[in-house]
Amino acid sequence: QSVLTQPPSVSAAPGQKVTISCSGSSSNIGNNYVSWYQQLPGTAPKLLIYDNNKRPSGIPDRFSGSKSGTSATLGITGLQTGDEADYYCGTWDSSLSAGQVFGGGTKLTVL
Amino acid sequence: QVQLQESGPGLVKPSETLSLTCTVSGGSISSYYWSWIRQPAGKGLEWIGRIYTSGSTNYNPSLKSRVTMSVDTSKNQFSLKLSSVTAADTAVYYCARAIVGATDFDYWGQGTLVTVSS
Repeated sequence: QSVLTQPPSVSAAPGQKVTISCSGSSSNIGNNYVSWYQQLPGTAPKLLIYDNNKRPSGIPDRFSGSKSGTSATLGITGLQTGDEADYYCGTWDSSLSAGQVFGGGTKLTVL
Repeated sequence: QVQLQESGPGLVKPSETLSLTCTVSGGSISSYYWSWIRQPAGKGLEWIGRIYTSGSTNYNPSLKSRVTMSVDTSKNQFSLKLSSVTAADTAVYYCARAIVGATDFDYWGQGTLVTVSS
């Protein structure tokens, strides 16, 4: 059972837009920055979004992030078949069980 | 370009200690947090813990009693020991870097599969 809640799967057609939600609480998302990772099959996770909505160098602006209260959202526009991957949200949890926490992951299928 | 590379045995017997090392190249190990993260096959990411280059550590409470991390700045390496392993510890183990004050991991190793089996 992950601390952060993500939908198990989402799907959309090439060229369309998709959003992936990440729900947490005041001890994690509510008071800390959220990051998003893309994990292509058989590879290590790759940082897509940090500090809620910033993109590392080399990440196209088709990827965006936002946060409101205790939830965060990853948006991907102009979907490509190469975007098929698992996506994870992550943040720090400041509760008594302090530490890095992740969502359970969302499998994106580009139909 | 910073690169991280995990190394260690791919097979560990139940009840024994899993030992992995992460070697950092292309940059200094100093002044960053270095984490271990694992992923069982077909499942999500689980943070194991982190170490700062001073040697201070934070561990996942669910694993804390079995985890020890260390750092060797002279070799640009940090290490993980996980004791009393069971089949549930079978996973791909990643090392990753975080900037101080950040909640994200900007560099990751490629991962190494550790199987716990007799």
